[in-house]
Amino acid sequence: SQQGEEDPQALSIQEGENATMNCSYKTSINNLQWYRQNSGRGLVHLILIRSNEREKHSGRLRVTLDTSKKSSSLLITASRAADTASYFCATVPNAGGTSYGKLTFGQGTILTVHP
Amino acid sequence: DTAVSQTPKYLVTQMGNDKSIKCEQNLGHDTMYWYKQDSKKFLKIMFSYNNKELIINETVPNRFSPKSPDKAHLNLHINSLELGDSAVYFCASSQDRITLHFGNGTRLTVT
Repeated sequence: SQQGEEDPQALSIQEGENATMNCSYKTSINNLQWYRQNSGRGLVHLILIRSNEREKHSGRLRVTLDTSKKSSSLLITASRAADTASYFCATVPNAGGTSYGKLTFGQGTILTVHP
Repeated sequence: DTAVSQTPKYLVTQMGNDKSIKCEQNLGHDTMYWYKQDSKKFLKIMFSYNNKELIINETVPNRFSPKSPDKAHLNLHINSLELGDSAVYFCASSQDRITLHFGNGTRLTVT
């Protein structure tokens, strides 16, 4: 089964509104990342939050991490049509040693922003 | 100036054929990966090479064989293709083995 699970599976909003996506995971982690995937393209890294951080900002992105609940949220403020994409969380289990970049991805949230 | 480039972008072939996907990165990263994205958009790691040495080999049929001639290239060869191999295959690279830089994918369709 997937380590990360995003919720909702699909989100449709109007330009200017905020979009919130959630991710839950099962095992202890070192860090959690969010990636964006535009249709027909590869994934692009957005932001990383470490297990000892609770909140992180980058431009219009705000990520929170609650390790007690094993969950994270990605908030995109003042959304634009260009934000239309799939958003994935990715985790690396904290199993000791080097992860070698073996990320575990969820199924993603499909965000549609209507102009 | 694509950082991670894969060829071909689309690959349509028949069952039983052998095919290869090529990947090159110009970021100077030491580590490269192959991930597979299925029709439900789940991404799963297949292989990883660090400076031409295999470091991750997930439970992948041995019909799949990666080859890294140098640290900037990681190719994927698939023998005896099956219908279930249809997916999008992504190459990625990383310097810190934490954040990954992905190519735009190769959509493989086996008929």
